[in-house]
Amino acid sequence: NAGVTQTPKFRVLKTGQSMTLLCAQDMNHEYMYWYRQDPGMGLRLIHYSVGEGTTAKGEVPDGYNVSRLKKQNFLLGLESAAPSQTSVYFCASRRSSGSWTETQYFGPGTRLLVL
Amino acid sequence: GDSVTQMEGPVTLSEEAFLTINCTYTATGYPSLFWYVQYPGEGLQLLLKATKADDKGSNKGFEATYRKETTSFHLEKGSVQVSDSAVYFCALSNQAGTALIFGKGTTLSVSS
Repeated sequence: NAGVTQTPKFRVLKTGQSMTLLCAQDMNHEYMYWYRQDPGMGLRLIHYSVGEGTTAKGEVPDGYNVSRLKKQNFLLGLESAAPSQTSVYFCASRRSSGSWTETQYFGPGTRLLVL
Repeated sequence: GDSVTQMEGPVTLSEEAFLTINCTYTATGYPSLFWYVQYPGEGLQLLLKATKADDKGSNKGFEATYRKETTSFHLEKGSVQVSDSAVYFCALSNQAGTALIFGKGTTLSVSS
């Protein structure tokens, strides 16, 4: 099993450009998440999904959109990138059974620099 | 709302020293508590967890006890190694059980 994978690993964008980050998991997990990690801020939840075709906003959703067309994939889109979106983005997934006791499994991260 | 507060870093220790990283939380109900670790250049991975009061999570020599009376989940290790150098995150599950709320992370640096 590959676990959780993220594409790309690193990307440089110019202000105003758009891009999509791809997250894929092969564990048949129902729940998937997108976080951003910034120095001194820990991880903050952007959006999440509790199943195929469903998405919900997290703590910092502005400027991002997501889609979960297939159970194994969770896409994070930036329509018009801003320097404030320079960050490291992590995807995670977990099973739905057991609710709050379940472990989240994280991908290796995507480092995004917006100039 | 729910929140997690953990001690500011960085924490710098010599090999074989005792480690404590403090974590306290504010939450409604009875959340599950987690410690995740992030090694340089990698994603987060679960270190240990506790799902109810007085539970002790343990893994790789690390331990943490869920203390409801003090709303704490402090991470401890009796003898740290250079390979333990990483960023440690305390987290709790939100009330709906749909997401984790993370502390800001504590950087540990262990020298030989």
